Amino acid sequence: EVQLVETGGGLIQPGGSLRLSCAASGFTVSSNYMSWVRQAPGKGLEWVSVIYSGGSTYYADSVKGRFTISRDNSKNTLYLQMNSLRAEDTAVYYCALRHGYWGQGTLVTVSS
Amino acid sequence: DIVMTQTPLSLSVTPGQPASISCKSSQSLLHSDGKTYLYWYLQKPGQSPQLLIYEVSNRFSGVPDRFSGSGSGTDFTLKISRVEAEDVGVYYCMQSIQLPHTFGQGTKLEIK
Repeated sequence: EVQLVETGGGLIQPGGSLRLSCAASGFTVSSNYMSWVRQAPGKGLEWVSVIYSGGSTYYADSVKGRFTISRDNSKNTLYLQMNSLRAEDTAVYYCALRHGYWGQGTLVTVSS
Repeated sequence: DIVMTQTPLSLSVTPGQPASISCKSSQSLLHSDGKTYLYWYLQKPGQSPQLLIYEVSNRFSGVPDRFSGSGSGTDFTLKISRVEAEDVGVYYCMQSIQLPHTFGQGTKLEIK
């Protein structure tokens, strides 16, 4: 059974950094493309980043240069390193396997 | 970026009656591989998005057959043949033919 569990969210001051984790089970992270999608409070869904099985990575313009997607094959875990955080990055962050399986999300709040 | 436009943004449906949501993309979602990369999601209150339909018309695992998808090119439709109380939530279309992947604004379905 596919399971995705995100952790690492919390309250962080503007300019700070956080690393989100997405622990996967039931499949191999490195053999699939995985994405991060976020949802600001009361808003719609916004694609953030993707990592393909071959290792290529892509980012939304809104996070390019600040966020880094990566994976640890030995831990079967996906990450999102978020630097220089802004108030507009406040959202629930979901990891997703291809397009069909999503985690429960982790809330990131950027505020002073 | 490809713009996804959903209509209506909200609808109120009597249980047992049909419902239909339209999604139009600013560019064709037909890939040279012959597939059309259009997806439909339902986000129930307080939950993560769940995939209903992939590649225009394919129901995802466990999705009831009252949900169906159709369309081609730039015009797509999600239909619910007989709405049930558990179908309440926000429906999103999404394209993945081009990065960044983009979502429609969402259509909120409520039960009369």
